[in-house]
Amino acid sequence: NAGVTQTPKFQVLKTGQSMTLQCAQDMNHNSMYWYRQDPGMGLRLIYYSASEGTTDKGEVPNGYNVSRLNKREFSLRLESAAPSQTSVYFCASISRLAGGNEQYFGPGTRLTVT
Amino acid sequence: AQTVTQSQPEMSVQEAETVTLSCTYDTSESDYYLFWYKQPPSRQMILVIRQEAYKQQNATENRFSVNFQKAAKSFSLKISDSQLGDAAMYFCAYRSKAAGNKLTFGGGTRVLVKP
Repeated sequence: NAGVTQTPKFQVLKTGQSMTLQCAQDMNHNSMYWYRQDPGMGLRLIYYSASEGTTDKGEVPNGYNVSRLNKREFSLRLESAAPSQTSVYFCASISRLAGGNEQYFGPGTRLTVT
Repeated sequence: AQTVTQSQPEMSVQEAETVTLSCTYDTSESDYYLFWYKQPPSRQMILVIRQEAYKQQNATENRFSVNFQKAAKSFSLKISDSQLGDAAMYFCAYRSKAAGNKLTFGGGTRVLVKP
């Protein structure tokens, strides 16, 4: 099992450009999440998908859109990148019957917007 | 909305000694989960320990243990016999049992281990 994978690992964008961050999990998890981590801070939730076909806003959704493509894949799109979106982006997933189970995290994507 | 606060930006510990990291949280819920995650320079988020709120017994995982004080909304992490590999950022996180299983993170504490 690869767990949670993210592409790309690094990306540099110019202000106004768009891009999509890809996330996939092979653990048959129902719920998937996108977080951002700014320097010296904890992770903050951008969007999440509790189950296939549903998406909901998290704490910091402005400037982002998401698509739950299928049970495995959850993408994050920046339509018009801004320097304030420079951050490390993490995708995570968890089983619906979560109990005390942990969220599994991907390795992160470092995004720089100039 | 829940909030998680880690008041210590950085802690330093001598190798083989003990360090305790503080975490407080704010919630109106009675049942929830608490976690400590470790983030080494590789950026990978690694689960260290978890605690379910309705369980009074403090969780322990090898050299890591917690002091969970539900009434005080406090969840501290103790690292015993510190090793060089323990050097990392540590994040406290809260997870509601309500729909979504969303995590709310504290700001993190950097742990430095001196040889």
